[in-house]
Amino acid sequence: EIVLTQSPDFQSVTPKEKVTITCRASQNIGSTLHWYQQKPDQSPKILIKYASQSVSGVPSRFSGSGSGTDFTLTINSLEAEDAAAYFCQQSSSLPLTFGAGTKVEIQ
Amino acid sequence: EVQLVESGGGLVQPGGSLRLSCVGSGFILSSHDMHWVRQVTGKGLEWVSSIDTAGNTYYSDSVRGRFTSSRDSVKNSFYLQMYSLTAGDTAVYYCAREGTGGHIDPFDIWGQGTTVTVSS
Repeated sequence: EIVLTQSPDFQSVTPKEKVTITCRASQNIGSTLHWYQQKPDQSPKILIKYASQSVSGVPSRFSGSGSGTDFTLTINSLEAEDAAAYFCQQSSSLPLTFGAGTKVEIQ
Repeated sequence: EVQLVESGGGLVQPGGSLRLSCVGSGFILSSHDMHWVRQVTGKGLEWVSSIDTAGNTYYSDSVRGRFTSSRDSVKNSFYLQMYSLTAGDTAVYYCAREGTGGHIDPFDIWGQGTTVTVSS
């Protein structure tokens, strides 16, 4: 099973600040790493697919990078509506696994 | 509108059974691999099971032998039959649609979730 280690667990930030979340895989997964956003009492929503590919309808302030074992989700100029939990997920092999999540709080 | 709607959650005693349903609209469900993902309240996401377009099913180690995924193309629905439930199965269960771009695509559509509580 591929383990995804996400950091930090929690981040409290002010609007317009830049947020960086990292996800490290326990083995090489190429670019099969995806990012989701989950707002309180909502289901997850895809933000970035295949490490760096944008998803239609997602604001351009969200971007992803990385390959192999180390990946990053960046939120440029954070907005109040970005308060949520963020999860990484690998689709290199079954069982599909997720990172433990990063909760982003707006100060 | 493309959407997934789950139902069938509820309170069940340890050792009991429950069947979750996921109805798709706005797309042909059997044209996509479909997945069940669960989430303990306030915690992370755990992949549970999937069914591919050929009808092959896959399970996590924690549910293999107790849960069964199936699909009904006529009803455009996807199911999770759960047996021998334990407190560890208590969670919100989401059905999710996999995209069609690659080997295992990310989940592009999620249902709203249905809550399963296993307790005496």
